[in-house]
Amino acid sequence: AQSVTQLGSHVSVSEGALVLLRCNYSSSVPPYLFWYVQYPNQGLQLLLKYTSAATLVKGINGFEAEFKKSETSFHLTKPSAHMSDAAEYFCAVTANTGFQKLVFGTGTRLLVSP
Amino acid sequence: EAGVAQSPRYKIIEKRQSVAFWCNPISGHATLYWYQQILGQGPKLLIQFQNNGVVDDSQLPKDRFSAERLKGVDSTLKIQPAKLEDSAVYLCASSFTSGGGQETQYFGPGTRLLVL
Repeated sequence: AQSVTQLGSHVSVSEGALVLLRCNYSSSVPPYLFWYVQYPNQGLQLLLKYTSAATLVKGINGFEAEFKKSETSFHLTKPSAHMSDAAEYFCAVTANTGFQKLVFGTGTRLLVSP
Repeated sequence: EAGVAQSPRYKIIEKRQSVAFWCNPISGHATLYWYQQILGQGPKLLIQFQNNGVVDDSQLPKDRFSAERLKGVDSTLKIQPAKLEDSAVYLCASSFTSGGGQETQYFGPGTRLLVL
């Protein structure tokens, strides 16, 4: 079975500062990993995904994440935060063998102050 | 291209009442998912359809929840009777093909249910 742990239910940064949202995964088989963003009263939108092609994955809105197998991590970063980045971010995992459901973490709320 | 549509957006009911949610996936998407998102938690898969067949309903509380996807297009999720703990956002998502691991799921805006 797969699972993800997101460290920190809330992360606060100043506008222009580095954004770092942490995600560690557990999987008995090679995983596929995803980051989704959820704005208030909206559904989830895919930011980026790792599907074993490249360990550094670039997504939309300037976000990127690096798959580190040795650390079982898939942290999300953005060099410079913008006010519009304030939202809830979810890390999710599934297996790349057979059918496996997508399992989400509990989410991290990003707060951006001026 | 139109996204995943859901209705209603909000619903308030009393416990023991019944409620139904509707979802229309992106046109041409074979796989449809229903998720439950309780406040402060990540979405949890309730049921997955591929076309009009059920692929996974292992986490669906079948004594009170039911779902159908007749004709393999839109879908309805029903709760009868509702309990207080059913208060959550119900998200519908769809994906293009068979729901393989790396496939992107596209989410609708959700239905926010409050059970009093």
